[in-house]
Amino acid sequence: AQSVTQLDSHVSVSEGTPVLLRCNYSSSYSPSLFWYVQHPNKGLQLLLKYTSAATLVKGINGFEAEFKKSETSFHLTKPSAHMSDAAEYFCVVSPWGFQKLVFGTGTRLLVSP
Amino acid sequence: GAVVSQHPSWVICKSGTSVKIECRSLDFQATTMFWYRQFPKQSLMLMATSNEGSKATYEQGVEKDKFLINHASLTLSTLTVTSAHPEDSSFYICSARVPGGQIYNEQFFGPGTRLTVL
Repeated sequence: AQSVTQLDSHVSVSEGTPVLLRCNYSSSYSPSLFWYVQHPNKGLQLLLKYTSAATLVKGINGFEAEFKKSETSFHLTKPSAHMSDAAEYFCVVSPWGFQKLVFGTGTRLLVSP
Repeated sequence: GAVVSQHPSWVICKSGTSVKIECRSLDFQATTMFWYRQFPKQSLMLMATSNEGSKATYEQGVEKDKFLINHASLTLSTLTVTSAHPEDSSFYICSARVPGGQIYNEQFFGPGTRLTVL
């Protein structure tokens, strides 16, 4: 069975401090993993993806994530938060050859000045 | 990058009327498109998978006669909400998969359509 657990529904940080959004997954097969960001009343924008190459994946806007198979984790990080990072973040898993994306419940990132 | 558009971005209609939402892949051909529904402060729920030239595959619990999906070309899929009622009010988002993208299933999302049924 495929599932995604985003461990925090809300994360609050101050501008300029590091961001950590946690994601654990369960997959019967080798997975593709994605992080998407959604700003209010907008569609989803792909931040980064893991598709079996390097385990440390760099994405847009300074975000990166590390695939750890032994921990079944794919946490999203950023060294320094910006006000514009405030949004909803979704961790998504798709086992290879599986036709559907499995979404986590989302983490709302709040950034204070 | 791959761009997906949706039209309209928002629509308000009266109960009992039908509403059509368009999803277009602007710079690539998409043999497979997906329709999602998102309730406030919740995650996305897959409604159906739309394959060009064939019938859509609906998820369990989604009424196929209520939510009509047509994927008549490689760049356009439409979702028609028939006889809409207030409980159909939601944010509808489509996505498209690039050709050859079946292995990793990378999807590109449209900006969404806010439907409000009065």
